Amino acid sequence: TQLLEQSPQFLSIQEGENLTVYCNSSSVFSSLQWYRQEPGEGPVLLVTVVTGGEVKKLKRLTFQFGDARKDSSLHITAAQPGDTGLYLCAGGINPARKAAGNKLTFGGGTRVLVKP
Amino acid sequence: DADVTQTPRNRITKTGKRIMLECSQTKGHDRMYWYRQDPGLGLRLIYYSFDVKDINKGEISDGYSVSRQAQAKFSLSLESAIPNQTALYFCATSKDGQVDNEQFFGPGTRLTVL
Repeated sequence: TQLLEQSPQFLSIQEGENLTVYCNSSSVFSSLQWYRQEPGEGPVLLVTVVTGGEVKKLKRLTFQFGDARKDSSLHITAAQPGDTGLYLCAGGINPARKAAGNKLTFGGGTRVLVKP
Repeated sequence: DADVTQTPRNRITKTGKRIMLECSQTKGHDRMYWYRQDPGLGLRLIYYSFDVKDINKGEISDGYSVSRQAQAKFSLSLESAIPNQTALYFCATSKDGQVDNEQFFGPGTRLTVL
């Protein structure tokens, strides 16, 4: 069973500060996705990274996939109250056979609160 | 209109009752999933379906069953609800078998078992 651990579990910062969320595993993943979830809603995909060492930027958000494809990080620069939410990482394995399934393994989530 | 809808949005029930949660999608996706979310545990997969004729157990299928009535509909049943099944339940869809494809989630059903 692949496990993904996120840290920290909770982060409270002031508007304008930077923050980093980590997602770590002892297993190798084919891809790593980051989702954000707001209260009363389902998770929404932010980004997918598939290559070891890959870095993707989405405005003030920077996502990195570890060289060994076992870990990832999300860095937010100059956080804003609109960044408040639950951030979830999810690792995927491409199965060799259809019967093996294409399931995602989710981390426990990091709850981010950005105070104005 | 939402692409993935879930009914009901909230449900309170008693131990031993049978409960069905329903999911419908208009995205035309073949793949559908049921997850439960508990604080600090992220999302855990209960069941998933590749198409109408294909149902697979996830990591926590005990106590649950599913039915894929059509490409667009995937329902989750709790035959005899118990309090530790109190959780937030999400339905999701994806286009095909590649794990780097986006999963689209419904708004969730909050289930409380007393």
